[in-house]
Amino acid sequence: QKEVEQNSGPLSVPEGAIASLNCTYSDRGSQSFFWYRQYSGKSPELIMSIYSNGDKEDGRFTAQLNKASQYVSLLIRDSQPSDSATYLCAVNGQAGTALIFGKGTTLSVSS
Amino acid sequence: DGGITQSPKYLFRKEGQNVTLSCEQNLNHDAMYWYRQDPGQGLRLIYYSQIVNDFQKGDIAEGYSVSREKKESFPLTVTSAQKNPTAFYLCASSLGDDRGRFEDGYTFGSGTRLTVV
Repeated sequence: QKEVEQNSGPLSVPEGAIASLNCTYSDRGSQSFFWYRQYSGKSPELIMSIYSNGDKEDGRFTAQLNKASQYVSLLIRDSQPSDSATYLCAVNGQAGTALIFGKGTTLSVSS
Repeated sequence: DGGITQSPKYLFRKEGQNVTLSCEQNLNHDAMYWYRQDPGQGLRLIYYSQIVNDFQKGDIAEGYSVSREKKESFPLTVTSAQKNPTAFYLCASSLGDDRGRFEDGYTFGSGTRLTVV
């Protein structure tokens, strides 16, 4: 059974700080990695995708991938109260199947 | 505007009743998916379809059924055999994966919240 693991949190950071969210996955053959943000009662929205080792930056968000360690992370710089949400890590399963989601990490940014 | 539409937003099911959740997309995506989310839980895969007239069971398919007669539509029926159906149901679509690589991930619908009364 392929797995995606995340700390459930809550992760609490003050406004303006860096929030660091982590995810590990079990399938060494995984190729596609995604971070989704989900506000309470809403559906997930894609915020970052990463496919190669290293860092990928988009505005205040940076995704980091280390395939050797089977580890993917999301950094949120200058955290804002509007970033308070649950962040879901998703990784592809076997080819031709579907994404596998972690249980999510709840982030709380206090003003 | 391209997107994926789920209806209804809220649905109440009586014991022993079958109900159908609608999912329609106009993104020209080949693949469609149904997930279930319980409080404090991640998304668990119910069924997926990579192409019209073909679909596969996910991790928790028991008590559910689907059809894929059109590219745009992937309805989910929650049958009376599903003993604990109260949950948030999410439909998603994608271009599909090319040997495990998903371009652009999923687009999600806004979800249907199902409650047993």
